[in-house]
Amino acid sequence: EPEVTQTPSHQVTQMGQEVILRCVPISNHLYFYWYRQILGQKVEFLVSFYNNEISEKSEIFDDQFSVERPDGSNFTLKIRSTKLEDSAMYFCASSDVGYEQFFGPGTRLTVL
Amino acid sequence: RKEVEQDPGPFNVPEGATVAFNCTYSNSASQSFFWYRQDCRKEPKLLMSVYSSGNEDGRFTAQLNRASQYISLLIRDSKLSDSATYLCVVNLASTGTASKLTFGTGTRLQVTL
Repeated sequence: EPEVTQTPSHQVTQMGQEVILRCVPISNHLYFYWYRQILGQKVEFLVSFYNNEISEKSEIFDDQFSVERPDGSNFTLKIRSTKLEDSAMYFCASSDVGYEQFFGPGTRLTVL
Repeated sequence: RKEVEQDPGPFNVPEGATVAFNCTYSNSASQSFFWYRQDCRKEPKLLMSVYSSGNEDGRFTAQLNRASQYISLLIRDSKLSDSATYLCVVNLASTGTASKLTFGTGTRLQVTL
């Protein structure tokens, strides 16, 4: 069964450093998403991406965040200068022309 | 009012019991509805989409009441493996668009022997 994959599974970084989280969506999917979940809180939408551009972004997705699809398979989330409050699980998701979204296993980001 | 509201639980039930979860959503323009399950520190996994006519998948039955903006999930004959957090999720979009999912905080279920 095809699945979304994410690397790394856990990333530890110092405050102010840049991090890049990587995702490989399901191969025939067209829509890509990033969500995050702070420990003990609900899953929150960050950004959606279609046809090589951002479709929608939330208030959380400020100038410190960017997304890219550098090739035909990868989808990345970059945080330019991490803050303590960026510590969370980051989930990548993808969907085809339907509306059911499938999630990757997540990257746990710890900012020290 | 929260966009998607759920009773956080926990619901502690014995194996074999029937348990029901409820959820309300605030945006009447919401178009699609889902239940996901999430195990501790894992990703949300799609359990089922929810249709206006109601739908059933084995031991799981989901209902949608658009007039009341209310979604439910019924689990019959609970198994130990059903222990998880159940997330009520809504989407403003229908098919063919990249639109955000809005999650509830989840209802935790613990099934015991």
